[in-house]
Order: sequence, then structure tokens, then C-alpha cells
Amino acid sequence: KQEVTQIPAALSVPEGENLVLNCSFTDSAIYNLQWFRQDPGKGLTSLLLIQSSQREQTSGRLNASLDKSSGRSTLYIAASQPGDSATYLCAVTQGGSEKLVFGKGMKLTVNP
Amino acid sequence: NAGVTQTPKFRVLKTGQSMTLLCAQDMNHEYMYWYRQDPGMGLRLIHYSVGEGTTAKGEVPDGYNVSRLKKQNFLLGLESAAPSQTSVYFCASRRLAGWVGELFFGEGSRLTVL
Repeated sequence: KQEVTQIPAALSVPEGENLVLNCSFTDSAIYNLQWFRQDPGKGLTSLLLIQSSQREQTSGRLNASLDKSSGRSTLYIAASQPGDSATYLCAVTQGGSEKLVFGKGMKLTVNP
Repeated sequence: NAGVTQTPKFRVLKTGQSMTLLCAQDMNHEYMYWYRQDPGMGLRLIHYSVGEGTTAKGEVPDGYNVSRLKKQNFLLGLESAAPSQTSVYFCASRRLAGWVGELFFGEGSRLTVL
């Protein structure tokens, strides 16, 4: 059974820091990995989608990498801002399945 | 550009009552999903659909039923609500393509069962 883990569960940093958020998964047979952002009381917003054959994806200050063989993905946030404060979740689409398996998320607080 | 719309956004039920949550998407997506989100449990898949007229069970299907009579709508029903079904429910959709596509979520429906 695929398990997705995000450690730590929460992180608090001062504004301006470059951040690395971690996601690990137990079964490397995935179609893709997706990073989401969730603001309090809101739904999830897709940030980046990395297909299994790709190594990384970039969008603005965000860069996500994927290492299938080691079962890891990282989300890099450059020059963090208070507006980046949210919960970040990663999810993998399991090979041969239409379903996503989610991590429990990491709550990020960026202090001004 | 509505995306994924869920109704209602909030609902309070008494134990044993029934209700239906409606999810509508205007992106012509084939796949639709219902998740529930609980503190400490993360997002768990209840049911999903891979196209009009199809449904399948997810991780936590007991106590819920679904229907996908039209491609754009996915309904989640609770026949006899229980306090354990107090949760925030999210609908999501994505298109079928050569690459498995990006998942789009609704804003959520907060359900309280007393």
C-alpha cells in the first residue's frame, strides 16, 4: 500500500528564507506527483505536477523535483513571503490506478 | 470560469438524516472524486468516477453513495448520517489524457452531524 509522508508537519520561518519542503513515498511505481497549497477554510490549489518521466518542474519562485528511485520529492520555495503561509500537500498517482494518495501536509508560516 | 463548484458549503444534520452534496465541473473532465478531510487523517478518497455513468469505491466508502448521471455532475449521498461523518468534503476533477492530468478541487463542504 502506497504511503506518502511529509516531515515536518509544521515549519515557521522568517520572511526571505529559501525553503525546502520534503515528500517521500514508499512505492516508486507512480504516474506522477503533484504539489498542492491549501489556505485555511479553502480547497486545494495545484502548484506543480511532475510526470514520472520528469525530474523537475518550475513555476515562478517554486521548483519541484522528483527522484522516483529514492521515493522522494522536494518543493523549493525561493525568497519566502508571508503570503506563502499555507499548508502544502503532496500527492502521488499510483501506477495502474486513477487514485491519488495524499500526504498529511506541512503547515508553513512565514513571519514578516 | 467556475471550475469545480460544491453545494452546499455548510450543513448541519441530525443523526439519521439524509442529504446530498452536489459537485459540478465545467471543464469537461472525465474523472471526478469525493474526498473527506479530517484533522490528523489527511485526505481520504470516498468514491470516484472515471466517466459518465460509472462509479467506484475509494478508501472509505461505507455510509456513502454516489451517482454520475451527467458528465459534469458528481453527487455524494449520505442515507443515514452519523456523527463520524462530520468532516469537510472536497470534490475534485481531472481530465483523461495521455498524461494523467492535474487535479482541480472545489472549495469544500463542511458537514456537521449532531
